[in-house]
Amino acid sequence: LAKTTQPISMDSYEGQEVNITCSHNNIATNDYITWYQQFPSQGPRFIIQGYKTKVTNEVASLFIPADRKSSTLSLPRVSLSDTAVYYCLVGDVTNAGKSTFGDGTTLTVKP
Amino acid sequence: DVKVTQSSRYLVKRTGEKVFLECVQDMDHENMFWYRQDPGLGLRLIYFSYDVKMKEKGDIPEGYSVSREKKERFSLILESASTNQTSMYLCASSFGGQGGHEQYFGPGTRLTVT
Repeated sequence: LAKTTQPISMDSYEGQEVNITCSHNNIATNDYITWYQQFPSQGPRFIIQGYKTKVTNEVASLFIPADRKSSTLSLPRVSLSDTAVYYCLVGDVTNAGKSTFGDGTTLTVKP
Repeated sequence: DVKVTQSSRYLVKRTGEKVFLECVQDMDHENMFWYRQDPGLGLRLIYFSYDVKMKEKGDIPEGYSVSREKKERFSLILESASTNQTSMYLCASSFGGQGGHEQYFGPGTRLTVT
Protein backbone atom coordinates (compact mmCIF):
# COMPACT_ATOMS: atom_id res chain seq x y z
CA LEU A 1 0.00 0.00 0.00
CA ALA A 2 1.25 3.46 -0.86
CA LYS A 3 2.04 5.46 2.27
CA THR A 4 1.32 9.16 1.98
CA THR A 5 2.89 12.13 3.71
CA GLN A 6 1.42 15.64 3.84
CA PRO A 7 2.37 18.78 5.76
CA ILE A 8 0.37 19.03 8.97
CA SER A 9 -0.67 22.63 8.43
CA MET A 10 -0.36 25.62 6.12
CA ASP A 11 -1.34 29.26 6.36
CA SER A 12 -2.29 31.53 3.52
CA TYR A 13 -4.02 34.85 2.84
CA GLU A 14 -7.12 35.56 0.84
CA GLY A 15 -6.49 35.87 -2.88
CA GLN A 16 -3.27 33.84 -2.88
CA GLU A 17 -2.66 30.59 -4.70
CA VAL A 18 -2.09 27.66 -2.34
CA ASN A 19 -0.16 24.51 -3.21
CA ILE A 20 -0.41 21.45 -0.96
CA THR A 21 1.93 18.55 -1.66
CA CYS A 22 1.43 14.88 -0.92
CA SER A 23 4.39 12.49 -1.05
CA HIS A 24 3.76 8.88 -2.06
CA ASN A 25 7.15 7.34 -2.83
CA ASN A 26 5.94 3.75 -3.24
CA ILE A 27 2.98 4.48 -5.49
CA ALA A 28 2.04 1.50 -7.67
CA THR A 29 1.42 1.44 -11.40
CA ASN A 30 -2.36 1.14 -11.05
CA ASP A 31 -2.70 3.77 -8.31
CA TYR A 32 -4.57 7.04 -8.73
CA ILE A 33 -4.29 10.18 -6.59
CA THR A 34 -7.44 11.75 -5.21
CA TRP A 35 -7.91 14.82 -3.02
CA TYR A 36 -10.67 15.58 -0.55
CA GLN A 37 -11.69 18.65 1.46
CA GLN A 38 -13.23 18.44 4.92
CA PHE A 39 -14.90 21.17 6.94
CA PRO A 40 -15.49 20.79 10.70
CA SER A 41 -18.42 18.55 11.59
CA GLN A 42 -18.83 17.35 8.00
CA GLY A 43 -17.69 14.36 6.00
CA PRO A 44 -14.91 14.82 3.42
CA ARG A 45 -15.86 16.01 -0.06
CA PHE A 46 -14.22 14.88 -3.31
CA ILE A 47 -12.24 17.64 -5.05
CA ILE A 48 -10.15 16.16 -7.85
CA GLN A 49 -8.49 12.99 -9.09
CA GLY A 50 -5.62 12.25 -11.44
CA TYR A 51 -3.17 9.64 -12.68
CA LYS A 52 -0.40 11.66 -14.31
CA THR A 53 0.52 15.15 -15.57
CA LYS A 54 -2.12 17.78 -14.90
CA VAL A 55 -5.83 17.72 -14.20
CA THR A 56 -7.97 20.84 -13.76
CA ASN A 57 -11.57 21.38 -12.79
CA GLU A 58 -13.60 24.36 -11.66
CA VAL A 59 -12.28 24.10 -8.11
CA ALA A 60 -8.62 23.08 -8.28
CA SER A 61 -5.71 21.75 -10.29
CA LEU A 62 -3.70 18.63 -9.62
CA PHE A 63 -0.09 18.37 -10.75
CA ILE A 64 1.60 14.97 -10.91
CA PRO A 65 5.25 14.75 -12.05
CA ALA A 66 6.45 12.02 -14.37
CA ASP A 67 7.79 9.81 -11.55
CA ARG A 68 4.42 10.11 -9.73
CA LYS A 69 6.14 10.01 -6.33
CA SER A 70 4.34 13.16 -5.27
CA SER A 71 1.37 15.27 -6.24
CA THR A 72 0.40 18.90 -5.67
CA LEU A 73 -3.09 20.22 -5.15
CA SER A 74 -3.32 23.82 -6.29
CA LEU A 75 -6.11 26.10 -5.11
CA PRO A 76 -6.25 29.36 -7.04
CA ARG A 77 -7.11 32.59 -5.23
CA VAL A 78 -8.24 31.12 -1.93
CA SER A 79 -10.91 32.71 0.23
CA LEU A 80 -11.74 32.37 3.92
CA SER A 81 -14.20 29.61 3.06
CA ASP A 82 -11.34 27.42 1.81
CA THR A 83 -10.16 27.00 5.38
CA ALA A 84 -10.43 23.23 5.83
CA VAL A 85 -8.48 20.00 6.10
CA TYR A 86 -7.26 18.56 2.79
CA TYR A 87 -6.56 14.85 2.39
CA CYS A 88 -4.86 12.95 -0.38
CA LEU A 89 -5.90 9.36 -1.12
CA VAL A 90 -3.66 7.04 -3.12
CA GLY A 91 -4.51 3.60 -4.41
CA ASP A 92 -6.06 1.44 -7.06
CA VAL A 93 -9.49 2.93 -7.81
CA THR A 94 -10.81 -0.51 -8.77
CA ASN A 95 -9.88 -1.79 -5.31
CA ALA A 96 -10.83 1.22 -3.23
CA GLY A 97 -10.77 -0.70 0.02
CA LYS A 98 -7.01 -0.98 -0.24
CA SER A 99 -6.35 2.73 -0.63
CA THR A 100 -4.69 4.94 1.98
CA PHE A 101 -5.69 8.40 3.13
CA GLY A 102 -2.96 10.80 4.16
CA ASP A 103 -3.10 12.40 7.60
CA GLY A 104 -4.45 15.62 6.16
CA THR A 105 -3.23 19.20 5.86
CA THR A 106 -5.04 21.89 7.81
CA LEU A 107 -5.19 24.99 5.62
CA THR A 108 -5.96 28.26 7.36
CA VAL A 109 -6.80 31.21 5.14
CA LYS A 110 -6.41 34.59 6.81
CA PRO A 111 -8.00 37.90 5.75
CA ASP B 1 -27.38 14.87 -5.70
CA VAL B 2 -25.87 11.88 -3.99
CA LYS B 3 -27.06 11.46 -0.49
CA VAL B 4 -25.43 9.35 2.18
CA THR B 5 -27.29 9.36 5.46
CA GLN B 6 -26.26 8.03 8.82
CA SER B 7 -28.75 7.02 11.47
CA SER B 8 -27.52 9.34 14.21
CA ARG B 9 -25.33 12.45 14.47
CA TYR B 10 -24.58 11.84 18.13
CA LEU B 11 -24.76 8.64 20.16
CA VAL B 12 -23.89 7.86 23.77
CA LYS B 13 -23.55 4.22 24.82
CA ARG B 14 -22.28 2.35 27.84
CA THR B 15 -19.32 0.00 27.92
CA GLY B 16 -20.35 -3.51 26.90
CA GLU B 17 -23.43 -2.46 24.93
CA LYS B 18 -23.99 -3.69 21.39
CA VAL B 19 -24.07 -0.71 19.06
CA PHE B 20 -25.46 -0.47 15.55
CA LEU B 21 -24.53 2.36 13.18
CA GLU B 22 -26.59 2.50 10.02
CA CYS B 23 -25.70 4.04 6.69
CA VAL B 24 -27.92 4.41 3.64
CA GLN B 25 -27.00 5.70 0.17
CA ASP B 26 -29.39 6.56 -2.63
CA MET B 27 -27.12 6.41 -5.69
CA ASP B 28 -27.02 2.67 -6.38
CA HIS B 29 -23.31 2.62 -5.50
CA GLU B 30 -21.55 -0.72 -5.42
CA ASN B 31 -18.93 0.28 -2.83
CA MET B 32 -19.59 1.26 0.76
CA PHE B 33 -17.09 2.09 3.46
CA TRP B 34 -16.89 2.66 7.20
CA TYR B 35 -14.13 4.90 8.56
CA ARG B 36 -13.30 6.23 11.96
CA GLN B 37 -11.69 9.59 12.44
CA ASP B 38 -9.73 10.57 15.52
CA PRO B 39 -7.71 13.74 16.16
CA GLY B 40 -4.21 13.38 14.79
CA LEU B 41 -4.92 10.00 13.18
CA GLY B 42 -6.79 11.04 10.05
CA LEU B 43 -9.28 8.70 8.37
CA ARG B 44 -8.82 5.02 9.03
CA LEU B 45 -10.77 2.37 7.16
CA ILE B 46 -12.62 -0.15 9.32
CA TYR B 47 -14.47 -2.21 6.69
CA PHE B 48 -15.23 -2.04 3.01
CA SER B 49 -18.00 -3.68 0.99
CA TYR B 50 -17.94 -3.93 -2.81
CA ASP B 51 -21.26 -5.75 -3.20
CA VAL B 52 -24.21 -7.09 -1.25
CA LYS B 53 -23.05 -9.59 1.37
CA MET B 54 -19.41 -8.97 0.41
CA LYS B 55 -16.99 -7.33 2.83
CA GLU B 56 -13.29 -6.82 3.32
CA LYS B 57 -11.39 -5.82 6.42
CA GLY B 58 -9.79 -2.43 6.41
CA ASP B 59 -6.91 -1.20 8.52
CA ILE B 60 -8.60 -1.44 11.94
CA PRO B 61 -11.37 -4.09 11.92
CA GLU B 62 -10.78 -5.38 15.45
CA GLY B 63 -13.84 -4.96 17.65
CA TYR B 64 -16.15 -4.27 14.70
CA SER B 65 -18.30 -6.23 12.29
CA VAL B 66 -20.44 -5.17 9.35
CA SER B 67 -23.54 -6.24 7.50
CA ARG B 68 -24.69 -5.49 3.97
CA GLU B 69 -27.92 -7.28 3.20
CA LYS B 70 -29.16 -4.67 0.70
CA LYS B 71 -27.18 -2.64 -1.78
CA GLU B 72 -28.15 0.72 -0.30
CA ARG B 73 -27.51 -0.11 3.36
CA PHE B 74 -24.27 -0.81 5.23
CA SER B 75 -24.28 -1.35 8.96
CA LEU B 76 -21.38 -1.15 11.39
CA ILE B 77 -21.71 -3.20 14.56
CA LEU B 78 -19.77 -2.83 17.76
CA GLU B 79 -20.36 -6.17 19.46
CA SER B 80 -19.32 -4.93 22.91
CA ALA B 81 -18.57 -1.25 22.98
CA SER B 82 -15.43 -0.08 24.74
CA THR B 83 -14.23 3.39 25.68
CA ASN B 84 -11.46 3.25 23.06
CA GLN B 85 -14.17 3.10 20.41
CA THR B 86 -15.26 6.63 21.26
CA SER B 87 -14.77 8.37 17.94
CA MET B 88 -16.31 9.98 14.87
CA TYR B 89 -17.60 7.33 12.47
CA LEU B 90 -17.96 8.19 8.80
CA CYS B 91 -19.75 6.18 6.15
CA ALA B 92 -19.04 6.62 2.44
CA SER B 93 -20.14 5.13 -0.85
CA SER B 94 -18.84 5.09 -4.42
CA PHE B 95 -19.33 3.39 -7.75
CA GLY B 96 -17.24 0.34 -8.44
CA GLY B 97 -14.59 0.08 -11.13
CA GLN B 98 -12.91 3.34 -12.08
CA GLY B 99 -15.20 5.32 -9.79
CA GLY B 100 -13.89 3.79 -6.60
CA HIS B 101 -12.12 6.87 -5.31
CA GLU B 102 -14.93 9.35 -5.84
CA GLN B 103 -16.42 8.62 -2.47
CA TYR B 104 -19.44 10.41 -1.07
CA PHE B 105 -19.42 10.75 2.68
CA GLY B 106 -22.22 10.98 5.19
CA PRO B 107 -22.24 13.63 7.93
CA GLY B 108 -20.73 11.30 10.52
CA THR B 109 -21.83 9.84 13.84
CA ARG B 110 -20.01 10.99 16.94
CA LEU B 111 -20.08 8.03 19.29
CA THR B 112 -19.22 8.35 22.96
CA VAL B 113 -18.78 5.19 25.01
CA THR B 114 -18.86 5.76 28.77
